[in-house]
Amino acid sequence: QQQVKQSPQSLIVQKGGISIINCAYENTAFDYFPWYQQFPGKGPALLIAIRPDVSEKKEGRFTISFNKSAKQFSLHIMDSQPGDSATYFCAALTGNTPLVFGKGTRLSVIA
Amino acid sequence: SQTIHQWPATLVQPVGSPLSLECTVEGTSNPNLYWYRQAAGRGLQLLFYSVGIGQISSEVPQNLSASRPQDRQFILSSKKLLLSDSGFYLCAWKGGYNSPLHFGNGTRLTVT
Repeated sequence: QQQVKQSPQSLIVQKGGISIINCAYENTAFDYFPWYQQFPGKGPALLIAIRPDVSEKKEGRFTISFNKSAKQFSLHIMDSQPGDSATYFCAALTGNTPLVFGKGTRLSVIA
Repeated sequence: SQTIHQWPATLVQPVGSPLSLECTVEGTSNPNLYWYRQAAGRGLQLLFYSVGIGQISSEVPQNLSASRPQDRQFILSSKKLLLSDSGFYLCAWKGGYNSPLHFGNGTRLTVT
């Protein structure tokens, strides 16, 4: 019930391509869905977040798509660049409880 | 603006030695505070969290303990380190309801 399932575990994308990472959840009480980006040796940094009252949120090349009925949300990185190579974590939250994180996706963008 | 400080950045300790990692947050009051551990190439494991001074919730029974002696200070401790305690330790803070989590830059602990 508290899990967030993230896929794929790793992803290789050509420079300029679209990177897509998917997450699914079970707990319908979740009402805040952030994505984090982590570079090696650094702490995860908040990238973008969405609440379930909207189906899409876009910030620059990063877009979250949210499907409330399917209990799924995804991160799309348009025009992927080598600098986007990092590990990405999806997460879900309700209220003041600790965030529930997915297991992470290691993205490599190759030239 | 709010900032989170975590130190040291790296630490090498022998098995059986004690541990104390400190985290402080500036620019906010009464934050929720968290300790996570991340094994190499793995996900984020929640170890402890605190919603107020002296209030500690433990998520995983293990060789570690946490304390919150002041509102914006969170300490992770061990009396005797094990090899399995090696990892990347991350402190994080969170504001109010449905607000995001903000991480420090972590401490790389190697137990030898």
